[in-house]
Amino acid sequence: EAQVTQNPRYLITVTGKKLTVTCSQNMNHEYMSWYRQDPGLGLRQIYYSMNVEVTDKGDVPEGYKVSRKEKRNFPLILESPSPNQTSLYFCASRSPIGGTTNYGYTFGSGTRLTVV
Amino acid sequence: EDKVVQSPLSLVVHEGDTVTLNCSYEVTNFRSLLWYKQEKKAPTFLFMLTSSGIEKKSGRLSSILDKKELFSILNITATQTGDSAVYLCAGDTGGFKTIFGAGTRLFVKA
Repeated sequence: EAQVTQNPRYLITVTGKKLTVTCSQNMNHEYMSWYRQDPGLGLRQIYYSMNVEVTDKGDVPEGYKVSRKEKRNFPLILESPSPNQTSLYFCASRSPIGGTTNYGYTFGSGTRLTVV
Repeated sequence: EDKVVQSPLSLVVHEGDTVTLNCSYEVTNFRSLLWYKQEKKAPTFLFMLTSSGIEKKSGRLSSILDKKELFSILNITATQTGDSAVYLCAGDTGGFKTIFGAGTRLFVKA
């Protein structure tokens, strides 16, 4: 089944303790992205990657890092989490526009992160 | 600054009603407009619109894009309780950046 898999689904952590949220897709998509979703603000893009070793900042990259060493994986790293990073996080992947499939993003199931 | 604005923010209707959800956008290097439905989990893809004036339909849902007015609407006819969800629209720049609106929360009463 074509999917984007995120782990963990839920995470409670303390301020300053480094964490990684994993994301993996099995659709051979070049393009992957991380979003955070907060009430009233919709989905805001954190980082995106157009292919292996190619990443760039989205609208809210502060406090986050990513890496794209393999096509299928795109982990999100919080080096020193703070309470304002408490949010619902989504990983997503897609084919480039103009490819044979233009179905927009496929989203992972989300990771609800609480930083206390 | 790029932005996508959806209206109304929330909407309550009765089963069988027809609803229209609005999305206006200002997105640099705009390529397409995307609509998603989000229930209690990840957003699921509904439509991608790239050309003005061409309606896309899927069952009771339809959508159209106006690239001159920078506007899109999503129509749902004969609403059902299963249509209750948050509907998100997004302006897409062709794979580099996608800007989402805050969403319209639709509640359909039985």
